Amino acid sequence: DVVMTQSPLSLPVTLGQPASISCRSSQSLESRDGTTLLNWFQHRPGQSPRRLIYKVSNRDSGVPDRFSGSGSGTDFTLKISRVEAEDVGVYYCMQGAHWPDTFGQGTKLEIK
Amino acid sequence: DVQLVESGGGLVQPGGSLRLSCEASGINFRTSWMTWARQAPGKGLELVAIIKQDGSEKYYVDSVKGRFTVSRDNAKNSVYLQMNSLRVEDTAVYYCGRRAVVDQYPWGQGTLVTVSS
Repeated sequence: DVVMTQSPLSLPVTLGQPASISCRSSQSLESRDGTTLLNWFQHRPGQSPRRLIYKVSNRDSGVPDRFSGSGSGTDFTLKISRVEAEDVGVYYCMQGAHWPDTFGQGTKLEIK
Repeated sequence: DVQLVESGGGLVQPGGSLRLSCEASGINFRTSWMTWARQAPGKGLELVAIIKQDGSEKYYVDSVKGRFTVSRDNAKNSVYLQMNSLRVEDTAVYYCGRRAVVDQYPWGQGTLVTVSS
């Protein structure tokens, strides 16, 4: 199975400041047709997981534009331009390029 | 409105069984891959099972192989997770989700499974 490795695992951030989460896959997530199936999910306390980003850099409907995704091949990044209180939770990258889908370990974002 | 509603969780003794259900609405269920994931206390999300649209392909995480069975009934817009020989380490909130590449990837609110004597 493809191993997804996130860093950092804990991310204390001051309100209004940027945040960045890295995700590395053990194999390239780029398929023959050029698509890269890398998702980012947000899991707030007491809520259902929510996908924020699909195919590396595409925001899901309703996701604030302060969230952005980038990367290629095996290295990916989720950035939050200015952290707000509602962003507290755990963030996961998840690959869907190789069967079966696999999650990263999760990055816990908290407010300093 | 897209909705996934899980049910069937509860307290069960080690070695016991539970059947989780997830009913979907607001999505084209027949054309959707469906997944079950779980979050154990203090741990991250873990994909447990995936089932193809027609049920012809299934995946299980190694730790549940031979004990859990995923199935679906497209006529009822429902996916199920039969859990047998439950262990303490299966204690978690279980979520069902509609696996999608570009379309919405919704998850249910979760159902708590507690395995304890």
